[in-house]
Amino acid sequence: AQSVAQPEDQVNVAEGNPLTVKCTYSVSGNPYLFWYVQYPNRGLQFLLKYITGDNLVKGSYGFEAEFNKSQTSFHLKKPSALVSDSALYFCAVRDPGYQKVTFGTGTKLQVIP
Amino acid sequence: ETGVTQTPRHLVMGMTNKKSLKCEQHLGHNAMYWYKQSAKKPLELMFVYSLEERVENNSVPSRFSPECPNSSHLFLHLHTLQPEDSALYLCASSQAGEANNEQFFGPGTRLTVL
Repeated sequence: AQSVAQPEDQVNVAEGNPLTVKCTYSVSGNPYLFWYVQYPNRGLQFLLKYITGDNLVKGSYGFEAEFNKSQTSFHLKKPSALVSDSALYFCAVRDPGYQKVTFGTGTKLQVIP
Repeated sequence: ETGVTQTPRHLVMGMTNKKSLKCEQHLGHNAMYWYKQSAKKPLELMFVYSLEERVENNSVPSRFSPECPNSSHLFLHLHTLQPEDSALYLCASSQAGEANNEQFFGPGTRLTVL
């Protein structure tokens, strides 16, 4: 079985400060990990993914995520938050042996001007 | 049009109505998905079509009936729905064959069942 957890329903951060959105996962094999963002009244938009190799993955809009196998985590980060980053963020995992991707419950990021 | 489009964007229907949601992808992908998004719940995978064959059906009630006539189009036929079926229905597509391929989502159809 595979699962993913996003422990925070909401994260508030001041504009210009670094942000972190947390994600932990559980799979039986080596995971493929994804981050998506959803703006109001829009579908999910792909940000970045980890397949293998370098544990630090860089994605769109200045976001990056760090894969930590020992902690089974894949936290999303950005050095300096923008008000326009305010949105709903979803972590997702896929065990290569499974047909489907499992999404987390989402974390609402609020960047305060 | 580019990406993944969905129509209608909003739908209000009574419990006895029959309606259909439409999804079209312009990305040359060969796998398509229906998801249900409800507040404070994980995204629920409903159906997966790969190479126009249904490969995943997540115990969805029979009042939801998918149809995939070709690799670019996906429908979700709705009949005798319940108020708890009110949600945002998202369509997505990807390139089948590689487990690490990301999915591309449409904007969704906001469904309200009265």
